[in-house]
Amino acid sequence: QVQVQQSGPGLVKPSQTLSLTCAIVGDSVSSRSVAWNWIRQSPSRGLEWLGKTYYRSKWHSDYAVSVRGRISIDPDTSKNQFSLQLNSVTPEDTAVYYCVRDHLWAFDIWGQGTAVTVSS
Amino acid sequence: IVLTQSPGILSLSPGERATLSCRASQSVSTTYLAWSQQKPGQAPRLLIYGASNRATGIPDRFSGSGSGTDFTLTISRLELEDFAVYYCHHYDNSPTFGQGTRVEIK
Repeated sequence: QVQVQQSGPGLVKPSQTLSLTCAIVGDSVSSRSVAWNWIRQSPSRGLEWLGKTYYRSKWHSDYAVSVRGRISIDPDTSKNQFSLQLNSVTPEDTAVYYCVRDHLWAFDIWGQGTAVTVSS
Repeated sequence: IVLTQSPGILSLSPGERATLSCRASQSVSTTYLAWSQQKPGQAPRLLIYGASNRATGIPDRFSGSGSGTDFTLTISRLELEDFAVYYCHHYDNSPTFGQGTRVEIK
């Protein structure tokens, strides 16, 4: 049974970097048939896709236009996990962050969510 | 692609049929249209992928249909555990989600 388990701080100061990690159990971050995503949810923005990383003979990362330039999603094959870094955060980045697997063009495995507040 | 769900809130009784709508701002392939359910304090759960295929473990009272710009999620007979928020989503280079339909107990 595939599971993803998130970890990371729930409070980040404005202008600093939000960092979250997602450990994968029962699948591989290097699998060629899936992708590994970060999605966030807030009352004002609803569910918002942030980006993904995936392996297809080489590593790829795709990012949403709304966060491009301050986001990085990276695999860690040695630990079978992937991470999110979001730089220069503002209060508008306050949300619940989910790591999510996509397979057959649908988001099928979700992490438990991490509530992140951006505040001084 | 913008997804617009209707109604925003659906008030029904257990045992009734629920019909939820998702309209896309332009025609989309059925392959890339999915539905998820979210309960308070939980992550979304995939119900339907490819517009009409039930995900693993999803009861057959849930069904999806549609094509082009108009898609529907139907719950044939509501059970207490089905009262939740439902989202449609479209998978492409920049996936998007609808704003959700809340199914509440009447």
